[in-house]
Amino acid sequence: EVQLLQSGGGLVQPGGSLRLSCAASGFTFTTYAMNWVRQAPGKGLEWVSLTTGSGDNTFLADSVKGRFSISRDNSKNMLYLQMNSLRADDTAVYYCAKCILPTTDAFDIWGQGTMVTVSS
Amino acid sequence: EVVMTQSPATLSVSPGDRATLSCRASQTINSNLAWYQQKPGQAPRLLFYDTSTRASGFPARFSGTGSGTEFTLTISSLQSEDFAVYYCQQYDNWPRTFGQGTKVEIK
Repeated sequence: EVQLLQSGGGLVQPGGSLRLSCAASGFTFTTYAMNWVRQAPGKGLEWVSLTTGSGDNTFLADSVKGRFSISRDNSKNMLYLQMNSLRADDTAVYYCAKCILPTTDAFDIWGQGTMVTVSS
Repeated sequence: EVVMTQSPATLSVSPGDRATLSCRASQTINSNLAWYQQKPGQAPRLLFYDTSTRASGFPARFSGTGSGTEFTLTISSLQSEDFAVYYCQQYDNWPRTFGQGTKVEIK
């Protein structure tokens, strides 16, 4: 079964750091670009970041540039999101998501989501 | 940034009726558009990619059309399980962007 299992998240103070993890199974991990997408409470979806299959190239939304970084460990089938200098407006459910094809950035498999709350 | 605008924000439809959801891009995105369905408390589910290629698990009553800047998701005869929020997303330009969503509710 193709699956993404997320861990990490929780409550963090403004200015703090957090790392999210996403464990992939059931598919050839290195073949596919992977993403993080977030959803603030009661709001819509916001794409956050993408890493290519090799991990050689990464892309970030302007709202998180300079604060967040995406990485992957293809030997462990793991995806990560390192979040630094967290702000209240980063509060959201964060999803990891797999691209459906190597050249198509539509997201066919999603993790279960993990809540990140930034508050003092 | 490509701004994706969905309309209407909320669509009230009776079961069995047709629903038409619109998504407009602020610049051409060719056919690089996806649609997602999201139900409360759940992760989104991919419904269409490349504008009109239906993802697995969705029936033929769902159809996706359009190109360039104008796109449409049609549900021909709404079933109870179709009431949800639908998002469009472009993947032609960076950053990838979503529309704000259309909530399809029971009339």
